[in-house]
Amino acid sequence: EAGVAQSPRYKIIEKRQSVAFWCNPISGHATLYWYQQILGQGPKLLIQFQNNGVVDDSQLPKDRFSAERLKGVDSTLKIQPAKLEDSAVYLCASFSLREDTQYFGPGTRLTVL
Amino acid sequence: AQSVTQLGSHVSVSEGALVLLRCNYSSSVPPYLFWYVQYPNQGLQLLLKYTTGATLVKGINGFEAEFKKSETSFHLTKPSAHMSDAAEYFCAVIPPNGGFKTIFGAGTRLFVKA
Repeated sequence: EAGVAQSPRYKIIEKRQSVAFWCNPISGHATLYWYQQILGQGPKLLIQFQNNGVVDDSQLPKDRFSAERLKGVDSTLKIQPAKLEDSAVYLCASFSLREDTQYFGPGTRLTVL
Repeated sequence: AQSVTQLGSHVSVSEGALVLLRCNYSSSVPPYLFWYVQYPNQGLQLLLKYTTGATLVKGINGFEAEFKKSETSFHLTKPSAHMSDAAEYFCAVIPPNGGFKTIFGAGTRLFVKA
């Protein structure tokens, strides 16, 4: 089966600009996650969706970050306006109930100058 | 709150030597346990996992891990390191009743010397 798809793979923007990332999970996976991975650290959960509903967004900086999963399949994560400290890899993952396992996409590396 | 501790942010071994990466979790009830590997500029790839059953689990690329409830540990081992094993390794848990939310350790970077 196809894996988790993400685009773009790399993005460079200047601070105060906006940016959007896209994720398409593995077909049939109802749970989707966005993580932020800062260099040298483990992934930190930003938001978790169950179908098109938000399960957990407690660590999402809601003044600048937003995410949606309108049809319960693919998802977008937006940052507006970006700050220097937002430079990180943004990982999308989806959860297989059958295997009790998360599967990750390749990530989007964001550089904010 | 549940946490995952990986002892050693960097581990260096010689090619052919034993690889041991340590992971401890904080929970009185065993969670689901995972090891992921991340190569440069790539996402996380599942190495192995423990949910129930046999406490010694085997994964891809010759890695294995043993769940020890008494020690709340899930250390990752490989008998003989290969140059291609150089990567970042993350231990992760899904707590019981955690709503499928994965908590990651800070990671251990493995260096393999020729």
